[in-house]
Amino acid sequence: QQQVKQSPQSLIVQKGGISIINCAYENTAFDYFPWYQQFPGKGPALLIAIRPDVSEKKEGRFTISFNKSAKQFSLHIMDSQPGDSATYFCAASENDKIIFGKGTRLHILP
Amino acid sequence: KAGVTQTPRYLIKTRGQQVTLSCSPISGHRSVSWYQQTPGQGLQFLFEYFSETQRNKGNFPGRFSGRQFSNSRSEMNVSTLELGDSALYLCASSLEAGMSTDTQYFGPGTRLTVL
Repeated sequence: QQQVKQSPQSLIVQKGGISIINCAYENTAFDYFPWYQQFPGKGPALLIAIRPDVSEKKEGRFTISFNKSAKQFSLHIMDSQPGDSATYFCAASENDKIIFGKGTRLHILP
Repeated sequence: KAGVTQTPRYLIKTRGQQVTLSCSPISGHRSVSWYQQTPGQGLQFLFEYFSETQRNKGNFPGRFSGRQFSNSRSEMNVSTLELGDSALYLCASSLEAGMSTDTQYFGPGTRLTVL
């Protein structure tokens, strides 16, 4: 029940395309859903986050879509660029205890 | 402003030994959290410290411990090392407590290898 299932494990997208990464959870007590971006040799960096009272949040080319009834949320990267190539982690938090998805390795083809 | 720094960056230990990792948060940040990252288990939350007090703890055995000093610097200790403790240990800091109320900034991590 504490798991956050992330898919796909890896993703290849053409430059300019849309990258979509999905996550699902079971625990309805989760109240904060962040996405992190991690480049090789670096620590993760917070990309964008959403709370369950909002169905969508957009920041630049990055959008989180949140479906509370389905217990799913996704990250959309519009106009994907080679510089977006990284590993992306979704996460869910309850009372500041955070559970991460296993990560998606995204590669954008130039 | 300097980012989160972690020392050492790389460490090799043998089974049964103990290890201490250090984290210096961004100046002015009072909250420090620790995470373990492995290929198999991914990113896992270890614990969070705020104002020298452990505020939250993940599901790790008692061999994993930490502390925070009055200047907000934090140390993490792992005793009786096991092969499975080989991982990247990440530290993150934020101004206030709670990752859902404030942005966390991660350091580059300490790569621990247990032989």
